[in-house]
Amino acid sequence: DGGITQSPKYLFRKEGQNVTLSCEQNLNHDAMYWYRQDPGQGLRLIYYSQIVNDFQKGDIAEGYSVSREKKESFPLTVTSAQKNPTAFYLCASSISLNPNTEAFFGQGTRLTVV
Amino acid sequence: GDSVTQMEGPVTLSEEAFLTINCTYTATGYPSLFWYVQYPGEGLQLLLKATKADDKGSNKGFEATYRKETTSFHLEKGSVQVSDSAVYFCALSGGSYIPTFGRGTSLIVHP
Repeated sequence: DGGITQSPKYLFRKEGQNVTLSCEQNLNHDAMYWYRQDPGQGLRLIYYSQIVNDFQKGDIAEGYSVSREKKESFPLTVTSAQKNPTAFYLCASSISLNPNTEAFFGQGTRLTVV
Repeated sequence: GDSVTQMEGPVTLSEEAFLTINCTYTATGYPSLFWYVQYPGEGLQLLLKATKADDKGSNKGFEATYRKETTSFHLEKGSVQVSDSAVYFCALSGGSYIPTFGRGTSLIVHP
């Protein structure tokens, strides 16, 4: 079945550590996105990518980094510079940056700083 | 920039009650509008969409009509079920082509 797979489902990070969240899709979608979800704040865009080897900062990119070396993969690294990383992270994809097409989401990764 | 405003929750209803969740938007041009649903601990799923003014999106008994004159896309359902309990997100995709989401509205349906 086609879809988006995020891993791990739960992740614990110590203070000062970098961690990488995985996102893989087999939908042959060009565009991929990372959102952060906090209670009562909806979804905020971290980074997005339209094509391989290209990505753009979203509204809250500070303390995060991404890469897009393959069409199927868009990993997100939460660096030690991110001061409040505890949140639910959602990866999404769409056929292209076309306003008429919906986004498809993974199941999310819940990151907790311990 | 583009933005979406939806009513704050939680919305608490009894089974078989009528549901309305209000959503208004700000965007340049003519965006497409979406409702997504999120069940606990999961990602978002598309519920319905409308791509031009006066279009009505519908799915699983839910409906929403794209009202350009009032910049609104309110979600309605005539008779809710306990299984409809979830968080509902209104979203748009406009000139920037990036999906923009509202804050979400939690719906709780009691038997």
